[in-house]
Amino acid sequence: RKEVEQDPGPFNVPEGATVAFNCTYSNSASQSFFWYRQDCRKEPKLLMSVYSSGNEDGRFTAQLNRASQYISLLIRDSKLSDSATYLCVVNRRGSQGNLIFGKGTKLSVKP
Amino acid sequence: GAVVSQHPSWVICKSGTSVKIECRSLDFQATTMFWYRQFPKQSLMLMATSNEGSKATYEQGVEKDKFLINHASLTLSTLTVTSAHPEDSSFYICSARTGSSYNSPLHFGNGTRLTVT
Repeated sequence: RKEVEQDPGPFNVPEGATVAFNCTYSNSASQSFFWYRQDCRKEPKLLMSVYSSGNEDGRFTAQLNRASQYISLLIRDSKLSDSATYLCVVNRRGSQGNLIFGKGTKLSVKP
Repeated sequence: GAVVSQHPSWVICKSGTSVKIECRSLDFQATTMFWYRQFPKQSLMLMATSNEGSKATYEQGVEKDKFLINHASLTLSTLTVTSAHPEDSSFYICSARTGSSYNSPLHFGNGTRLTVT
């Protein structure tokens, strides 16, 4: 089983739609979780950290379920500029912070 | 603005030559930097952890004699791909964290796209 698994997509949605991405991780001792966004042929950029109580940043909402080892990202009112690959990222147990990346879920927002 | 700077952004080299990639932390000191590699349509894979003033820690399957890492100062880490071959063609990205906690997120350089012909 991969350490971090995501649905690769692609998710093709119209502007204004709400879209949700899911991610599961295998290491129950993982302690920090993030969503990154990666545009084509570019470096990943931090979108948001994911906290146990769930957190929101504008149109983006992240949720964590430790019992199920499941992380989600919800994007409301999708914009064309949201088109990118969204990476679920988990820290490795006992590490100094080496992060494990999922393969990413590709989102394409259409006019 | 960018907190981690990487150079060059892209490089094309002939098989058998060596390529050096620089990673600099801007306006902060990074005792630890991480080097990742990403093949097309694949996830980022950690290659090694670069530690200032000491030897790098390599991930399983990464040849330390092929991928030389030097972290001589608190703001600069370099990765040298020695005797590069076409299968080394990839997107190499360095990263560092600005916070002291290992739970703080990583910030990435802009990456180096290496093509070996």
